[in-house]
Formats: sequence, structure tokens, C-alpha cells
Amino acid sequence: QVQLQESGPGLVKPSGTLSLTCAVSGGSISSSNWWSWVRQPPGKGLEWIGEIYHSGSTNYNPSLKSRVTISVDKSKNQFSLKLSSVTAADTAVYYCARLGLRSLWYFDLWGRGTLVTVSS
Amino acid sequence: QSALTQPASVSGSPGQSITISCTGTSSDVGSYNLVSWYQQHPGKAPKLMIYEGSKRPSGVSNRFSGSKSGNTASLTISGLQAEDEADYYCCSYAGSSTFKVFGGGTKLTVL
Repeated sequence: QVQLQESGPGLVKPSGTLSLTCAVSGGSISSSNWWSWVRQPPGKGLEWIGEIYHSGSTNYNPSLKSRVTISVDKSKNQFSLKLSSVTAADTAVYYCARLGLRSLWYFDLWGRGTLVTVSS
Repeated sequence: QSALTQPASVSGSPGQSITISCTGTSSDVGSYNLVSWYQQHPGKAPKLMIYEGSKRPSGVSNRFSGSKSGNTASLTISGLQAEDEADYYCCSYAGSSTFKVFGGGTKLTVL
């Protein structure tokens, strides 16, 4: 079955850029699904960051749009997140997730998440 | 401050039923029957429990059900079991500008 695995640095300096990759295994990133990033600050709730389709089309959370870039690499079956100008408020567990088939409104598969700490 | 409002906590005894509410606005919950619910155990990733308001993914117990009235969606868990103790989040589609908004989460305690 399809699995998602996040990877990337666990520590990022303030004002730097957070970069994460989500590897898709057991299935194709070119399926009829959108692929998304969701984050969760320690002890807090979930926040949708943005999503991408294999064609390269993207949607972003308006509150993060100016700092977020999501890209896809079909040759490696993975997609990536870049978040610039990070502060301590960006410290969170970052999840990659798959949206339901031909859907933009529910997440049917999640990665295990990776903690990213913003600190000098 | 989350876009959707959920109670911070609810509790119930084994075998009982509980309902978790998720209140939005006419721009999200009220406009679309596209609310989803997620269960999250400590240290784990969220798990989809209900989508498109009331549909259950394969493998999810029929003790979980979803509904909506006006700007408020609800998740009902019947026949509470110890393993239902977790955090629950709602999420609603909010149109082609905002796209998706989450609730702040509800901690369910099984007494």
C-alpha cells in the first residue's frame, strides 16, 4: 500500500529556510491525488500549509503563502516543502499527507511526521 | 485562533455515546458538506475517520458517525471504548481561496 515518509533537517536557524521532502512509496505521485503538507506546533492543533498536483499546480494557505513553496519531482516520486524566513513560531511536527482521490477536502493518508525546531 | 471551533475536551464512560461539535461559518461548514474528522493518538499521525460529512473510510468502525446542521458539524462516537481516547480534529473545505480550515481539536477522555 502507499506510504509517505518525511525527511529533512530537524533544526533550522531563525530567518533561515526550512526544507522537507516527502517520499511516496507503493504508488505513483502521478495518481489522481493532490499531495499536501500539514503542521502541528507542540501541544497545539493542525494547520494546513499547502498542496500540489503532479502537474505542478499548487494551492497555499493564505496566511503562509508569501513564505511557502511546494514542488514535485515525478522522477523521484516525491514532493517537497520550502518555508522561508522561519521563526520560533514555525517549530512544529510537519506531516505530508495525501488528499482523497480527485478531492481537495480530506486527507486519507498521512506520513509519520517529522519535528522541525527553529532555534539558533 | 482556529477557524473552526471545537470544545477543548469531552468525556464519557465505556459504552456511552458522545458528540463532538465543530462550528464554522457560512463560508466553510455552512456552504459545503465537506467536513472531515481525524483521530490522533499521542505521538501519532492523524487518522481519517469521517469524510464528506458522514462517509466512513474502509476499516473505520461504524461506531463513528458524522452529521451537519447549519454551520455546525458533529462527530458522534457510540459504544465508547478505551481505545477511542484521543484528540479529534475537524476540517472543512472553505472554497477556492482559503481551501481548508481545521478546528482546534477536542481531547476525548474515556472515564
